[in-house]
Amino acid sequence: AQTVTQSQPEMSVQEAETVTLSCTYDTSESDYYLFWYKQPPSRQMILVIRQEAYKQQNATENRFSVNFQKAAKSFSLKISDSQLGDAAMYFCAYRSYGQNFVFGPGTRLSVLP
Amino acid sequence: GAGVSQSPRYKVAKRGQDVALRCDPISGHVSLFWYQQALGQGPEFLTYFQNEAQLDKSGLPSDRFFAERPEGSVSTLKIQRTQQEDSAVYLCASSLVAGGPEEQFFGPGTRLTVL
Repeated sequence: AQTVTQSQPEMSVQEAETVTLSCTYDTSESDYYLFWYKQPPSRQMILVIRQEAYKQQNATENRFSVNFQKAAKSFSLKISDSQLGDAAMYFCAYRSYGQNFVFGPGTRLSVLP
Repeated sequence: GAGVSQSPRYKVAKRGQDVALRCDPISGHVSLFWYQQALGQGPEFLTYFQNEAQLDKSGLPSDRFFAERPEGSVSTLKIQRTQQEDSAVYLCASSLVAGGPEEQFFGPGTRLTVL
C-alpha cells in the first residue's frame, strides 16, 4: 500500500522568508500524481500545487514551488516570501490513476511577524 | 452552489445512536470522496463514488459505516450505533472528472462528537 510521510510535525518561518516542507512517499507505481493541500484553521482544505509524476519539470504556482525527486520519492514544497496568511496545516497527498488519495499526517506552519 | 457543502456542520450523538451526514458536491462533479480526519491528523480515505457507483469502500472502518449516492449527486454517510472512536471531522470532496490529477474541492466538514 502507498504511504505518505511528512517528517516535520511543525515548522515556523519569519514573514518574507522562505521555508521548505518535506514529503516522502512509498509506491511501486510509475505513473501517479502528487499534491500539496493547505488547511487554514477552521477553514476548508484547498489545493496549493500539484505534480504529475511523468513530468520532469517541477511545478510552480506563484510563491509556491516543488522539488520533485522521483527516484528518491521525495516531493518537497517551497514557500517563498512567506505571508501571515500562509499559516496553516499543509498536507502532502499521493494518488495513482483511478485510486483513492493518500494523505500524509501534515505539517503545521507558523508564520512569525 | 459555488462549492461543496456539508450538513450538519456539527453533530453530537450519544453512543449507540445512528447519524447521517450529508454532502452536496459541486454540480456536475463526477467523483465524490469521503474522508475521516482525526484531530491533528491528515484525512483518511473512507470511500469513493464515480457518479452513483461506489467504486471503492475499502476505507470504511467497519460495517457500521455505510455511504450512498443514489442519483449521482448528493451523498450520505451513515454511521450506525456510534462509538466514541467515531468522533472526528468527516470531510467530503468532489472533482469534475474521474481518476487523475484533477483538483478535489473539499467541503467544510462535519464535526462528529460521540459522548
